[in-house]
Amino acid sequence: DGGITQSPKYLFRKEGQNVTLSCEQNLNHDAMYWYRQDPGQGLRLIYYSQIVNDFQKGDIAEGYSVSREKKESFPLTVTSAQKNPTAFYLCASSPGPPYNEQFFGPGTRLTVL
Amino acid sequence: QQPVQSPQAVILREGEDAVINCSSSKALYSVHWYRQKHGEAPVFLMILLKGGEQKGHEKISASFNEKKQQSSLYLTASQLSYSGTYFCGSYSGGYQKVTFGTGTKLQVIP
Repeated sequence: DGGITQSPKYLFRKEGQNVTLSCEQNLNHDAMYWYRQDPGQGLRLIYYSQIVNDFQKGDIAEGYSVSREKKESFPLTVTSAQKNPTAFYLCASSPGPPYNEQFFGPGTRLTVL
Repeated sequence: QQPVQSPQAVILREGEDAVINCSSSKALYSVHWYRQKHGEAPVFLMILLKGGEQKGHEKISASFNEKKQQSSLYLTASQLSYSGTYFCGSYSGGYQKVTFGTGTKLQVIP
């Protein structure tokens, strides 16, 4: 069964701590993305990667970091520099052009106390 | 340069029709449509490409006006399961990212 998995589903952390969110896909997609969604809001792009060992900043990259050492994996670290990290984080992958449709994981809801 | 959607919210009774619009200020290669139910991840519905090609959901239709950079999603004979927030995504082609719209919250009531 192909798909995207994110773990954990819910995550609680104390202010000032770094936290890493996991994203794995077995769809053999080259491109992977991280989005942030705040309550009642749309999707904002944090980082994306079109190929292994390469990634680009999205619209709201400050306070976040990523790595892409394997095609299947694209972990996101929320650092203590992120001023307001409490949000719903969505990982997606895409087969790329010409359609570039996004397939989303189930999301991780991060709450910083 | 986020696509703008209208209306922001709409309430329908089962069986009624709805149209959701999406406008972009950038030249588009394609428009994506996704539906997100509360607390869940967005699900891909369909893609409309320049030149009229479409890929996606059988029971949902959409149009793409390339000159105006606008797309409309048509939901006919709405069902309770259609409830959710609909997002359009603008895609300029190649290895560019998809930029998501502001969202339209649709609620279908019995």
